[in-house]
Amino acid sequence: SSELTQDPAVSVALGQTVRITCQGDSLRNYYATWYRQKPGQAPGVVIYGKNNRPSGMPDRFSGSSSGNTASLAIIGAQAEDEAVYYCYSRDSSGNHLVFGGGTKLTVL
Amino acid sequence: QVQLQESGPGLVKPSETLSLNCAVSGYSISRGYSWGWIRQPPGKGLEWIGNIFHNGGTFYRPSLKSRITISLDTSKNQFSLSLTSVTAADTAVYYCARHSQGVRGVSNWFDPWGQGTLVIVSS
Repeated sequence: SSELTQDPAVSVALGQTVRITCQGDSLRNYYATWYRQKPGQAPGVVIYGKNNRPSGMPDRFSGSSSGNTASLAIIGAQAEDEAVYYCYSRDSSGNHLVFGGGTKLTVL
Repeated sequence: QVQLQESGPGLVKPSETLSLNCAVSGYSISRGYSWGWIRQPPGKGLEWIGNIFHNGGTFYRPSLKSRITISLDTSKNQFSLSLTSVTAADTAVYYCARHSQGVRGVSNWFDPWGQGTLVIVSS
């Protein structure tokens, strides 16, 4: 079991906004990092820290956090955003690292 | 540009030891950061295995701690994973990655990643 909980699947209509969430006690003290993984590829960072995007990541991706929940918002989802999204942070002890179970995003 | 590349046997027999290397280019692993291993069983999610700091300190996934060793080879600018007594449950794509953290460790992220290498445990 994971200390970070994600919904297994979410769908969004093309061009609409979707929010993917990640819950865990450790998120009260640590930011979540969000990764995107497409089939056959290694994961890539989408959001890290408070709300930082790697160079080249579109600004339609944004991160936020409240209490024990971190969220990744995609404003104006595109077909190429279809992927599995993972949150990642430290565990509640702070001594180990943990991934959420992943959310498969389908763009309709 | 920092790049990582995993290498090692693609097939390991049950009860034997899985050994993988991660060659790093574009950055000296002894300069800083920590360096980690992550795995992904077929069709499943990501699982953190463990990290090694640039100075050799390690921290491991508790459930795997008794079976894993991560080490540095600064002469080859690579780090390695050893996982003993493997079973079919250890079949996965294994990734290596550089780990960064922000001030006081409040933010943490792996980037960049290697392309991953599939290891199958089977007789």
